[in-house]
Amino acid sequence: DQQVKQNSPSLSVQEGRISILNCDYTNSMFDYFLWYKKYPAEGPTFLISISSIKDKNEDGRFTVFLNKSAKHLSLHIVPSQPGDSAVYFCAAVDSGNTGKLIFGQGTTLQVKP
Amino acid sequence: GAGVSQSPSNKVTEKGKDVELRCDPISGHTALYWYRQSLGQGLEFLIYFQGNSAPDKSGLPSDRFSAERTGGSVSTLTIQRTQQEDSAVYLCASSLAQNSFYGYTFGSGTRLTVV
Repeated sequence: DQQVKQNSPSLSVQEGRISILNCDYTNSMFDYFLWYKKYPAEGPTFLISISSIKDKNEDGRFTVFLNKSAKHLSLHIVPSQPGDSAVYFCAAVDSGNTGKLIFGQGTTLQVKP
Repeated sequence: GAGVSQSPSNKVTEKGKDVELRCDPISGHTALYWYRQSLGQGLEFLIYFQGNSAPDKSGLPSDRFSAERTGGSVSTLTIQRTQQEDSAVYLCASSLAQNSFYGYTFGSGTRLTVV
């Protein structure tokens, strides 16, 4: 049972344009959502998060949008840079539970110079 | 240490053999998690340790998998009688406390290949 889904395995965008990565979830108990970024041969690193009581959180070039009614969130990167090329994982947590993160399958982003 | 350290970084083993994977969390981090990433898959939760509480083992895929955490620090994930489907990158993460999900710090992982 995949509670967090990233239906696009890959995305390719031109440098300077916007990258939009999508994520869907099924568990209405999730109250925090996070995005992690992973380079090859490295562990994932935290990028940005959003609480379920908000619909938007922005940090520099990165913005996360949450649509609770649709159980959908997205990560926008603008402008995209070649160094953003990595695998992006969406994750969700039910903080009333053990607090463990449930991850999606990941989306590989390629930003072309 | 400065980060989460995992060893070995790569392990090739024959089907049926036992393997041990080690994780050294960040000093002072009370919560420790094991995940694995199979080819083309997301990060799959395996087990979670928090202080002296009983671990959450709900993600372990079979009784061939076990983990322990000695002295609240180093953790060892043991896979007995390895199978080819066990091939994956095994990732360890630690954080200051439960619900410190912003503060998850992952190690670089152990790439396990069962031949």
